[in-house]
Amino acid sequence: GENVEQHPSTLSVQEGDSAVIKCTYSDSASNYFPWYKQELGKRPQLIIDIRSNVGEKKDQRIAVTLNKTAKHFSLHITETQPEDSAVYFCAASPNNAGNMLTFGGGTRLMVKP
Amino acid sequence: GAVVSQHPSRVICKSGTSVKIECRSLDFQATTMFWYRQFPKKSLMLMATSNEGSKATYEQGVEKDKFLINHASLTLSTLTVTSAHPEDSSFYICSAPRPGASEAFFGQGTRLTVV
Repeated sequence: GENVEQHPSTLSVQEGDSAVIKCTYSDSASNYFPWYKQELGKRPQLIIDIRSNVGEKKDQRIAVTLNKTAKHFSLHITETQPEDSAVYFCAASPNNAGNMLTFGGGTRLMVKP
Repeated sequence: GAVVSQHPSRVICKSGTSVKIECRSLDFQATTMFWYRQFPKKSLMLMATSNEGSKATYEQGVEKDKFLINHASLTLSTLTVTSAHPEDSSFYICSAPRPGASEAFFGQGTRLTVV
């Protein structure tokens, strides 16, 4: 089955700096890669996703890149703000949608004011 | 607003008892729903796929007799933790794909504590 590795497990940045979180996956059949933000005790919230036919996608301060050959994808957050502090999860699915997601281990992002 | 609702959000039960968690899609029909489990400070692990009108599909290592799943209607899936033990204490979250959308919509989660 699919295995998703996520690094780093914790990340501390100064407000205004950029944050980068990286994930690798093992199953070449995976074709949908969402990123979720989860605050303590809350449900995961989708912040951005990318499909395997696209190499990069951007939404304001958030961008995701995908390298299918190397089987890795990354989340980039620019101009970080304290409210960006949360746990971020990457995930992969072979169904081109949010079905049967395999999640990475999570990254706890702390943005210091 | 939320499109998937999960109930209860928090439950405390005694060892040996059973607990039922409900997952409802609010404004769409979901022939498939997914149940995840999340330990403190850990990731979400897929437990099973709930299929309307047929048996659930369980991931390797998940006891189907322990975690009973019923998908009785197109808007409701239930997860029953039977004969609960303290090690079953966890955060359980369901998700449902909305027809025509790629995003998975998650319920708000249920924090189960078994004492």
